[in-house]
Amino acid sequence: AQTVTQSQPEMSVQEAETVTLSCTYDTSESDYYLFWYKQPPSRQMILVIRQEAYKQQNATENRFSVNFQKAAKSFSLKISDSQLGDAAMYFCAQGGNKLVFGAGTILRVKS
Amino acid sequence: DVKVTQSSRYLVKRTGEKVFLECVQDMDHENMFWYRQDPGLGLRLIYFSYDVKMKEKGDIPEGYSVSREKKERFSLILESASTNQTSMYLCASSFYIYEQYFGPGTRLTVT
Repeated sequence: AQTVTQSQPEMSVQEAETVTLSCTYDTSESDYYLFWYKQPPSRQMILVIRQEAYKQQNATENRFSVNFQKAAKSFSLKISDSQLGDAAMYFCAQGGNKLVFGAGTILRVKS
Repeated sequence: DVKVTQSSRYLVKRTGEKVFLECVQDMDHENMFWYRQDPGLGLRLIYFSYDVKMKEKGDIPEGYSVSREKKERFSLILESASTNQTSMYLCASSFYIYEQYFGPGTRLTVT
């Protein structure tokens, strides 16, 4: 069965600093996708970044980047120059047509 | 912009009532999904549909059914609501294997 594990229930970061959120997964599939989603308080879930498993190059999206280690089944999210608006619940997800989500990490940003 | 809307943001129902949650997307997406979100458990897939009148069980289908009569609309039905179905319900849609777009969620309380 596919599983996604986010081992950090909560993280804090100072504004303008860098933070890394961890995610590991387990799958027997060779072709799949990985996602990080952001859910701000009382707001809609939105996609942060996406990685195709067949691509070795790590995805980046402005201040957001991933460290994808396929052999280790690890997919961490790095947020650089953290901003107050980054405060949210972050979910890691893995799959194709169907996704399996982790339990989420609450990120708090301190000013 | 893709828009996924859900019929209610907040809903309070009594035990034993039949409950309908509706979701509409405006981007002609093939796939639609229903999740429930609970603290510490992340998002768990209840049902999904990859075409009109097609449905497949997700990880926690017990106590739920779905209906997809039109491509843009996907309904979740609680035949006889119970208190353990108190949760946040999220609808999502996607175009094949690409990222899922989420609705704002319905917070259902069953008393």
